[in-house]
Amino acid sequence: GALVYQYPRRTICKSGTSMRMECQAVGFQATSVAWYRQSPQKTFELIALSTVNSAIKYEQNFTQEKFPISHPNLSFSSMTVLNAYLEDRGLYLCGARTGHQNTLYFGAGTRLSVL
Amino acid sequence: GDSVTQKQGQVTLSEDDFLFINCTYSTTTYPTLLWYVQYPGQGPQLLLKVTTANNKGISRGFEATYDKGTTSFHLQKASVQESDSAVYFCALVDPSSFSKLVFGQGTSLSVVP
Repeated sequence: GALVYQYPRRTICKSGTSMRMECQAVGFQATSVAWYRQSPQKTFELIALSTVNSAIKYEQNFTQEKFPISHPNLSFSSMTVLNAYLEDRGLYLCGARTGHQNTLYFGAGTRLSVL
Repeated sequence: GDSVTQKQGQVTLSEDDFLFINCTYSTTTYPTLLWYVQYPGQGPQLLLKVTTANNKGISRGFEATYDKGTTSFHLQKASVQESDSAVYFCALVDPSSFSKLVFGQGTSLSVVP
């Protein structure tokens, strides 16, 4: 079946530093990857959508300068949170799907804490 | 813009009780509707989806009917178990981008033995 792995599962960084998180799709080709952030209140924010061989589309309030994303092949994507501050805390979720499907499969997320 | 509303923030039931979680949506398109379940420490897992109006999705004893007339997609289960305790999210898929989901606020279900 389709599986999405994210690592690290948890990370703590000092305010103003950066951290990178990774997303691996197993058992299917992740032609599209969506990065979401889930707040402590459980609400979801879409950060960006990435499709292999296409430009990455960032949602309003999120930029490439702050959340650079790499999606080099059909099984892997990474995102970095640059200059993290308290408001960047949350659970970062990677959702992946293959081209002809309209179902996103999510990983367990990377929980970011900022000191 | 599109929106999904779940009125119930928290539901507490006893085992074998009937479950009903309210979900309504607003959109100008013809979306696919989904329910995701999120267990503690995990990401959302797809529970069921329905792509066509008036159809019903069924999975693991849960069911939901895509009601275009009332713009609703309520989740039901006849008899809940303690293992069903989790947060349930109703969502719609933006047909212009299958990766763009609009989530409801989530309903936290607690089932006590």
